[in-house]
Amino acid sequence: DIQLTQSPSFLSASVGDRVTITCRASQGISNYLAWYQQRPGKAPKLLIYNASTLQSGVPSRFSGSGSGTEFTLTISRLQPEDFATYYCQQLNNYPLTFGPGTKVDIK
Amino acid sequence: QVQLVQSGAELKTPGASVKVSCKASGYSFTGYAFHWVRQAPGQRLEWMGWINAASGNTQYSQNFQGRVTITRDTSANTAYLELSSLTSEDTAVYYCVRNPFGTGWFDYWGQGTLVTVSS
Repeated sequence: DIQLTQSPSFLSASVGDRVTITCRASQGISNYLAWYQQRPGKAPKLLIYNASTLQSGVPSRFSGSGSGTEFTLTISRLQPEDFATYYCQQLNNYPLTFGPGTKVDIK
Repeated sequence: QVQLVQSGAELKTPGASVKVSCKASGYSFTGYAFHWVRQAPGQRLEWMGWINAASGNTQYSQNFQGRVTITRDTSANTAYLELSSLTSEDTAVYYCVRNPFGTGWFDYWGQGTLVTVSS
């Protein structure tokens, strides 16, 4: 199985900050990675797929990059509604697997 | 608009089975796959398996092999997850998710169904 790790596991930031989250895969997965946002008590929401393609309707302050084993999710200017937990997911092999999550909290 | 509406919360005793439903609307049911993903308290998301809504073909995670069955009823636009031999470790929120064919990402999620296993 492909293992995913995320760093940091928790970060505290302010509205307007630029935030970067890293996801690392235990083996190369090309660009087959997605990012999701989960607000408390809600289902996850797809933000980005194929490492850098923005899902329809997602604000352009979200961006993704990377290939192989290292990927990043960047939020250019953090908004109040962005305080949530973010998960990466590999799309390369079954079983599909997720990272442990990065919680973005208000400083 | 696309909606996935899941059945309500369940309380089960150890050893029992649970069946969760997921009714889809707002798009062509057989044009996509359905996957099931669960999230135990404080844990990461865990993929369980998927079904091709058109053909009915399925694939399951080895972590649940023999305990999980995913089915669909095309006349009702509904997918189902059945999990047997429940233990307390199966206590989790279970999500159905829509998956465009040929991809691995999940573009729409159900609201989640809490399954609690307790004696």
